[in-house]
Amino acid sequence: DAGVTQSPTHLIKTRGQQVTLRCSPKSGHDTVSWYQQALGQGPQFIFQYYEEEERQRGNFPDRFSGHQFPNYSSELNVNALLLGDSALYLCASSLIGPTVYEQYFGPGTRLTVT
Amino acid sequence: DQQVKQNSPSLSVQEGRISILNCDYTNSMFDYFLWYKKYPAEGPTFLISISSIKDKNEDGRFTVFLNKSAKHLSLHIVPSQPGDSAVYFCAALTGANNLFFGTGTRLTVIP
Repeated sequence: DAGVTQSPTHLIKTRGQQVTLRCSPKSGHDTVSWYQQALGQGPQFIFQYYEEEERQRGNFPDRFSGHQFPNYSSELNVNALLLGDSALYLCASSLIGPTVYEQYFGPGTRLTVT
Repeated sequence: DQQVKQNSPSLSVQEGRISILNCDYTNSMFDYFLWYKKYPAEGPTFLISISSIKDKNEDGRFTVFLNKSAKHLSLHIVPSQPGDSAVYFCAALTGANNLFFGTGTRLTVIP
C-alpha cells in the first residue's frame, strides 16, 4: 500500500521564478492538503483540495495556487518566488468522512530560494 | 497568530521513565486534537487523537489528556523508549478540517 509520495525531494530556485511541486495521495484517499513548514516552525496550512476544487485556504497569498487531478493527485504552484518561500512543503492526504482528521503526510519537498 | 503553542522546544527523558509533552491552544472552536511524531527526512506521522468531548484517550504507551477549561492538552508516553526520540507536534482541527500545528517539541530518550 503506497503512502503519500512527493516530488521532487529537493529543489533550488531563484527569486522571481516559478515552481511546481507534486503529490500523489495514499491509495484510497480523495483529499489533499498542502502545508508549508519553515525552519523551526510547525507546518502551516496552505490549502486543501477535494473533487478537484479548492475547499479551504489558509493565510497565503495568491502566488500560491494548486490543482487536483481526476486521479486525486495534486500540484502546488508558487509564482514570483521570494526568499521567504524557502521551506519544507508537505502534502497530506485523507479521506472525506468520519476519519478525515487522520491526514497522512508525505516526506515533503525542500525548496530553497536563492 | 499562533493558535496552538508548544512552549517547550525540547525535552530529555531517561529510558523507561514517563515523557510528558504539553500543548496550549487559544481557539475554543477547535473540536479535535491530534499528536504527530516526525523523524528527520520524513513527514509527520499521526500518533493519537482526542475529541473535544472527551478528556482522555489511551493507545498503548500513549495517552492524551485534554483540559478544555484550561485549553491545554498533554501527551504522556510511558515507558519511554529510545525509538520515541523525535519531534512531536500538537495539532488542532476545526470543523473546516484545517489543521493548526504547534511549533513542535524535540523529545530525546536517553538509553
